[in-house]
Amino acid sequence: DTEVTQTPKHLVMGMTNKKSLKCEQHMGHRAMYWYKQKAKKPPELMFVYSYEKLSINESVPSRFSPECPNSSLLNLHLHALQPEDSALYLCASSQEGTGGIHEQYFGPGTRLTVT
Amino acid sequence: GQNIDQPTEMTATEGAIVQINCTYQTSGFNGLFWYQQHAGEAPTFLSYNVLDGLEEKGRFSSFLSRSKGYSYLLLKELQMKDSASYLCAVRDAAGGYNKLIFGAGTRLAVHP
Repeated sequence: DTEVTQTPKHLVMGMTNKKSLKCEQHMGHRAMYWYKQKAKKPPELMFVYSYEKLSINESVPSRFSPECPNSSLLNLHLHALQPEDSALYLCASSQEGTGGIHEQYFGPGTRLTVT
Repeated sequence: GQNIDQPTEMTATEGAIVQINCTYQTSGFNGLFWYQQHAGEAPTFLSYNVLDGLEEKGRFSSFLSRSKGYSYLLLKELQMKDSASYLCAVRDAAGGYNKLIFGAGTRLAVHP
């Protein structure tokens, strides 16, 4: 199983709403990632979790709050978002540790629209 | 700082060969990846180079020259389904094995 799943596929939310994006993988990967991708732009790294601990936060605004409940799950909690936060949010996972390629496997993404 | 450059768009003919170039400047190089991304879909892993030279994988090959900060992705026997964006990504050593910096991507259009 080399699949990363994400729910929901599409999400429309108002600026006062609170919502969560979910990501799951069962490949035994211990590194998980959130990326934001705007149209015709590359993915931009937001957060990295390593062994369920936050290891990289790319100066993301606090209205985005990541959570890693266990080694298979990654959540992104959203609150008081702005219209410019509308984008495709991609989750990825990879093996952790030194040695090896450690390519990242991406989920299909959640298309988020903030109104 | 980090800088990754690749052409914005390329076109090619079905059955032909196309080479997509990528140049990079990074404070700590720890490997270079190529990903394919179809419109509206997730990126999928194509190839990885960490040592100089050519890596071949079926119709796809990738080359790396670390001294020149240069890589290319070579696609042979092009098919219509190869129309996609191709993303060059450098792994930043400062981020360990976890930090990928993506280039803006090259949108390839394959015509009959």
